[in-house]
Amino acid sequence: GENVEQHPSTLSVQEGDSAVIKCTYSDSASNYFPWYKQELGKRPQLIIDIRSNVGEKKDQRIAVTLNKTAKHFSLHITETQPEDSAVYFCAASWVKAAGNKLTFGGGTRVLVKP
Amino acid sequence: ETGVTQSPTHLIKTRGQQVTLRCSSQSGHNTVSWYQQALGQGPQFIFQYYREEENGRGNFPPRFSGLQFPNYSSELNVNALELDDSALYLCASSLEGRNTEAFFGQGTRLTVV
Repeated sequence: GENVEQHPSTLSVQEGDSAVIKCTYSDSASNYFPWYKQELGKRPQLIIDIRSNVGEKKDQRIAVTLNKTAKHFSLHITETQPEDSAVYFCAASWVKAAGNKLTFGGGTRVLVKP
Repeated sequence: ETGVTQSPTHLIKTRGQQVTLRCSSQSGHNTVSWYQQALGQGPQFIFQYYREEENGRGNFPPRFSGLQFPNYSSELNVNALELDDSALYLCASSLEGRNTEAFFGQGTRLTVV
């Protein structure tokens, strides 16, 4: 089955700096890679996703890159703000008609210091 | 459009007991997946229901079972509870097809004592 590894497990950045989280996956059949943000005591919320036919996707301060050959993908947050503090999870899935089954990484706790 | 709702939000059970958790999917979503999130870890896939049938299962024993109803709501049942079953249980709904964003509920925090 799929295995997703995520690094680092914790990340502390100064407000305004960039944050980068990296994930690797094992199953070359995976074709969908979402990133979720989970604040303390709250549900995971999708912040950005990328499909295997795209190498990069950007949404305001957030970008994701995908290297299918190396089987790794990364989340980039620029101009970090205190409200970016949360746990971030990457995931991988092989999308089929009936929906996807996500394999998550272990999470990265991001702390943005004012 | 209503979001994914789960009940109850918190639950305390004794080892050996049985528990049923409930999930109402987002309006129009016909696929429901269940995940177990232990403290400090990422969610782990338990199983998925699509059109009332189990459609894939993760590495969980048979004492974890589920149902999906005609209105696409779902239940997760866990028999013979063990201490290690203590976790946040999340359900996520999605719509079949290529637009497969999964929307998560707020979870049920299960504590087994």
